[in-house]
Amino acid sequence: KAGVTQTPRYLIKTRGQQVTLSCSPISGHRSVSWYQQTPGQGLQFLFEYFSETQRNKGNFPGRFSGRQFSNSRSEMNVSTLELGDSALYLCASRGSGFSYEQYFGPGTRLTVT
Amino acid sequence: DQQVKQNSPSLSVQEGRISILNCDYTNSMFDYFLWYKKYPAEGPTFLISISSIKDKNEDGRFTVFLNKSAKHLSLHIVPSQPGDSAVYFCAASRGGGADGLTFGKGTHLIIQP
Repeated sequence: KAGVTQTPRYLIKTRGQQVTLSCSPISGHRSVSWYQQTPGQGLQFLFEYFSETQRNKGNFPGRFSGRQFSNSRSEMNVSTLELGDSALYLCASRGSGFSYEQYFGPGTRLTVT
Repeated sequence: DQQVKQNSPSLSVQEGRISILNCDYTNSMFDYFLWYKKYPAEGPTFLISISSIKDKNEDGRFTVFLNKSAKHLSLHIVPSQPGDSAVYFCAASRGGGADGLTFGKGTHLIIQP
């Protein structure tokens, strides 16, 4: 099975702009989660989508949003970018049912200047 | 407030010896624990997990031990190999996984030849 894929891998944006990141989960996985990794805060949970519905959200401002499509692919959007949004954004998928193990993609490295 | 703590930012071990990585947690609602390995410029790779109803789980060279009363878990790697050099993250989950994973800050394991 192909793993989790994320596009683009690298992105440079200017403060105030918005950005959309894309994630394709492992085939058959219906749950997609997003995480932010920064040197100071480590890996932090943003939100999880299952069957096109957001099931849970971490402690991030409303500028961070996401959505999931009927084919389980997911997008994450960050509006009004701030310098502090520079981070590695990771997408993870897990199988349906009672499954805790999440499988991560390679991430998108976002730099805000 | 960090709910999952990895107090050793780095650990150096000789090739062939045992590597022991430690993790402490504070939230007694966590019911599932996972270890991930991460190389630079890649997403975390799932290694091994353990449910809170068990105290040990083995998979090849990797063994995870859970001490619920002490809210402590550890990952043992025997024998350590050069390819094991990476950052190891401890993660915890609850509620069937829908709450997302709560990660520690990671321990950089260096295997010396």
